[in-house]
Parts: sequence; C-alpha cells; structure tokens
Amino acid sequence: DGGITQSPKYLFRKEGQNVTLSCEQNLNHDAMYWYRQDPGQGLRLIYYSQIVNDFQKGDIAEGYSVSREKKESFPLTVTSAQKNPTAFYLCASSRAERETQYFGPGTRLLVL
Amino acid sequence: GENVEQHPSTLSVQEGDSAVIKCTYSDSASNYFPWYKQELGKRPQLIIDIRSNVGEKKDQRIAVTLNKTAKHFSLHITETQPEDSAVYFCAPGYSTLTFGKGTMLLVSP
Repeated sequence: DGGITQSPKYLFRKEGQNVTLSCEQNLNHDAMYWYRQDPGQGLRLIYYSQIVNDFQKGDIAEGYSVSREKKESFPLTVTSAQKNPTAFYLCASSRAERETQYFGPGTRLLVL
Repeated sequence: GENVEQHPSTLSVQEGDSAVIKCTYSDSASNYFPWYKQELGKRPQLIIDIRSNVGEKKDQRIAVTLNKTAKHFSLHITETQPEDSAVYFCAPGYSTLTFGKGTMLLVSP
C-alpha cells in the first residue's frame, strides 16, 4: 500500500470547474484503477488501465476522464459535466489484470 | 454486469464471538474472491482472498469459504477483537472487481 500515493488529500471544486486528482505508484504495477466511494456505500469503478496508453470505462465513467502516459501515473480529471462529484476517490493498482489490487490513501473531493 | 449482495449490512458481536459475513454474486465467470477491510476514513485493505479452484482458505483468525455452484462466498472471523471493528467489503470479479455495499462489524469489549 505504501507504494501508491494520491494527492491532494482534500480538494475543493467550484461550480463549472475541472479538477485533476493525482495517483502515482512505484510498485511497477501494470494495471491501475479509479473508484468512487459515497458515504455508506461500496466502491464503484470509474476507469481502469491495464497497460500504458490504454484505458477502459468502468461502471460510472460519465463526467470523468483519465490518461495513462506513464506506467507510474494515472491521473483522474473530474469535469464540470459530473454534476455530483462530492465523494471519496480511491486509486488502486495491481501487478496485472486479475491480480490483487492495492489502494492509495484516497482524495476527498468537496464541491463549494 | 456483476450483481453483488452482502449480508448482513451491520453485525454486532461481543469480543471473543465469531462473525460471519456472506456475499452472493451473479456472474459465473468470476474467479477471484477477495475481502477488504476499511476503517473509518482510511483506504480498503485486503485481508484475505481466494480463487475459484480452492474451496476454503484460512489465515489465523480469518477464513474464506467459497461455494461456486451456489455463487456465494463467506468471510469468517473467529475470536473477534475490538480492533476488528470496521466495514468489510467483498469484491468478486474476473478482470475487474465489483464491490458489495459493505458490512459494518462492531465488536464490543
């Protein structure tokens, strides 16, 4: 777990603003994932990437975008099209698809 | 897609008792069955997992059992301790994981 970092810990967004959440890992993992967690709920998959320069939509991709230009990095952009972005965002990585996923500490996004 | 249900949603036990949480899933292609523990405000952490070619796995006080025919798997915690209090999630899957809504376990001293 210590090899996955997310920043910032807290992020505030104004109406109509795009914000980018950072996720970095030094575990040499090929696969990376973004989840959203709402209070009292489980985790829902936003996007995932199994290899550099490739990514797929998860269950709730609308209003979000990602890139995977480097193996170590998988940033998530929450766009203004996401009408209810307030949530706890968790990044995870795994050595490969279908391997154990390890989570970063999360970013809590709040809308002002 | 995968439909995952966890029961119970909350579970209160006395210290030293056993706790069992059940997870049912719908996708017969799922072949990986992990359980995660999440403390308040923290990241989920893997506590035990099992693959479809194994029926049971144990790690000290924690065990997972799998019934692939009936499409359910369960988390068993014996000799519970107050530090076991947390939310537990099952997350069956094949290439991606689908998380259940969680079970809040409260262990009273």
